[in-house]
Amino acid sequence: EDQVTQSPEALRLQEGESSSLNCSYTVSGLRGLFWYRQDPGKGPEFLFTLYSAGEEKEKERLKATLTKKESFLHITAPKPEDSATYLCAVWGYSSASKIIFGSGTRLSIRP
Amino acid sequence: NAGVTQTPKFRVLKTGQSMTLLCAQDMNHEYMYWYRQDPGMGLRLIHYSVGEGTTAKGEVPDGYNVSRLKKQNFLLGLESAAPSQTSVYFCASSYDLSDSNQPQHFGDGTRLSIL
Repeated sequence: EDQVTQSPEALRLQEGESSSLNCSYTVSGLRGLFWYRQDPGKGPEFLFTLYSAGEEKEKERLKATLTKKESFLHITAPKPEDSATYLCAVWGYSSASKIIFGSGTRLSIRP
Repeated sequence: NAGVTQTPKFRVLKTGQSMTLLCAQDMNHEYMYWYRQDPGMGLRLIHYSVGEGTTAKGEVPDGYNVSRLKKQNFLLGLESAAPSQTSVYFCASSYDLSDSNQPQHFGDGTRLSIL
């Protein structure tokens, strides 16, 4: 059974303090790993798709990386507007048209 | 371009009442999904559809029914609402999960409380 575990559950940083969010996964054949951002009262907003180990994607202060067992979302010099919940999800070959989400990391950036 | 639209945005029901949540997309997507999101549990798939006239069960289908009579609409029904169904419900649509630019588009959710 495909599984996704995100850590930590919550993270509070000072503006400019870089850190990383972790997404550990178990899947029988990875087709894709997705990162989403979710603001309060809104639906998830797509950030990145990673397909194979060693792949990296960047967008502004965010960089996502992928290994065979986990993915990291690195946040460099964050700003208060980066505060949100970050969701990781996996799509496996055994899951047909379904993806499995982790429970998310709530990120708070203090000015 | 509206994307994915969910109605209603908020609703309060009494135990035992029934209701239907509507999801509409204007992107001509084949795939549509209903999720529920509860504190600390992330998004869990209720039902999904891979095309007009098709439906399939997800992780937590009990107590819900769905219909996809038109390609652009995906309806989620609660026949007899229970307090355990209090949640935020999200609809999503997709052209193809392998689309690296936008695998799934989400609506802004329906907040449902069952008293």
